[in-house]
Amino acid sequence: NAGVTQTPKFRVLKTGQSMTLLCAQDMNHEYMYWYRQDPGMGLRLIHYSVGEGTTAKGEVPDGYNVSRLKKQNFLLGLESAAPSQTSVYFCASSSLPGAPAEYEQFFGPGTRLTVL
Amino acid sequence: AQSVSQHNHHVILSEAASLELGCNYSYGGTVNLFWYVQYPGQHLQLLLKYFSGDPLVKGIKGFEAEFIKSKFSFNLRKPSVQWSDTAEYFCAVRVVDDMRFGAGTRLTVKP
Repeated sequence: NAGVTQTPKFRVLKTGQSMTLLCAQDMNHEYMYWYRQDPGMGLRLIHYSVGEGTTAKGEVPDGYNVSRLKKQNFLLGLESAAPSQTSVYFCASSSLPGAPAEYEQFFGPGTRLTVL
Repeated sequence: AQSVSQHNHHVILSEAASLELGCNYSYGGTVNLFWYVQYPGQHLQLLLKYFSGDPLVKGIKGFEAEFIKSKFSFNLRKPSVQWSDTAEYFCAVRVVDDMRFGAGTRLTVKP
């Protein structure tokens, strides 16, 4: 099992450009999450999904959109990138309540995004 | 909205010293509590978690944490740290489907 994978690993954008980050998991998890990690601020939840076709806002959703068209994939989109979105983005997934390792989040390796 | 506070930003210890990292949260209802570790250049991994029952939970690599409901705290402890414990440690709180992480504590263990 690959676990949680993220594409791409690095990206440099110019202000105003758009891009999509892809997260894929092969653990048949229902829940998926997108976080950003900034120095001194820990991880902040951007959006999450509790199942295919569902999405919900987290703590810092502005400037981002997400889609969960397939259970195994969770896409994070930036429509018009800003320098404030320079960060490391982590995707995570977790299983349903009652399942083994319930609520334990399995993280991907991260995507380092720089917006100039 | 709930928040998570980690009081120590950077802790420096010598090998064999004891460790305690503080974590407090603000939500008064039912919560699930976690400690994650991020080793240099790696992604986050679960150290331990608390859902219910015995408030003293044991995790991997000799770590343990104690949930004190009256203090809204979930402090991480290890009796004797090793150089390999050098990492960043994050406390996290789950309320329903929302997860909040603390800002993290960087631990440096000197050999």
